[in-house]
Amino acid sequence: GDSVTQMEGPVTLSEEAFLTINCTYTATGYPSLFWYVQYPGEGLQLLLKATKADDKGSNKGFEATYRKETTSFHLEKGSVQVSDSAVYFCALIQGAQKLVFGQGTRLTINP
Amino acid sequence: KAGVTQTPRYLIKTRGQQVTLSCSPISGHRSVSWYQQTPGQGLQFLFEYFSETQRNKGNFPGRFSGRQFSNSRSEMNVSTLELGDSALYLCASRDSGTSEETQYFGPGTRLLVL
Repeated sequence: GDSVTQMEGPVTLSEEAFLTINCTYTATGYPSLFWYVQYPGEGLQLLLKATKADDKGSNKGFEATYRKETTSFHLEKGSVQVSDSAVYFCALIQGAQKLVFGQGTRLTINP
Repeated sequence: KAGVTQTPRYLIKTRGQQVTLSCSPISGHRSVSWYQQTPGQGLQFLFEYFSETQRNKGNFPGRFSGRQFSNSRSEMNVSTLELGDSALYLCASRDSGTSEETQYFGPGTRLLVL
């Protein structure tokens, strides 16, 4: 079945550092891809999405490009802030309309 | 528009009891999905409802059930609670009237089973 694999966490960075969180997927068709973020004690918030190959999703300084050839959707940000500390989930959806999530990556940004 | 709302936010139950959780989707959204989040298993799909019909179901035992009302509000029920049912239960709604696949999540209900 479909699956998503994220880089192991936790990830700890200093403020203004460059962030990359790797995400790769396995799917039989052409899924839509998402990044969700979860702040402590809250539900999931949509961060960005891409629905077809070579699409770039972006929001709040975060970017991710749908790479069909490498089945990847890596999350990047050029300069992280303390407020970016959260758990990030990569996910895909297709056909059956259920989201399939990666295991999540906990990100901590130190001032 | 108001976002997805879930009630209650926190629940404490004991083994063997049953529980009902409620979800109100974004106005106009007719599809509601439920997910369970645990530290060990991560985020897992429970079921999806559309127009009062269960359209899709995850791999959970029959103790987990749900329903959807004509106003698109949804409830999920867990009977004969087990310790392993302690989790954050998340509801998500989608605008199924378009090709939009994005699901919008509520804040979740945190269930603790003692």
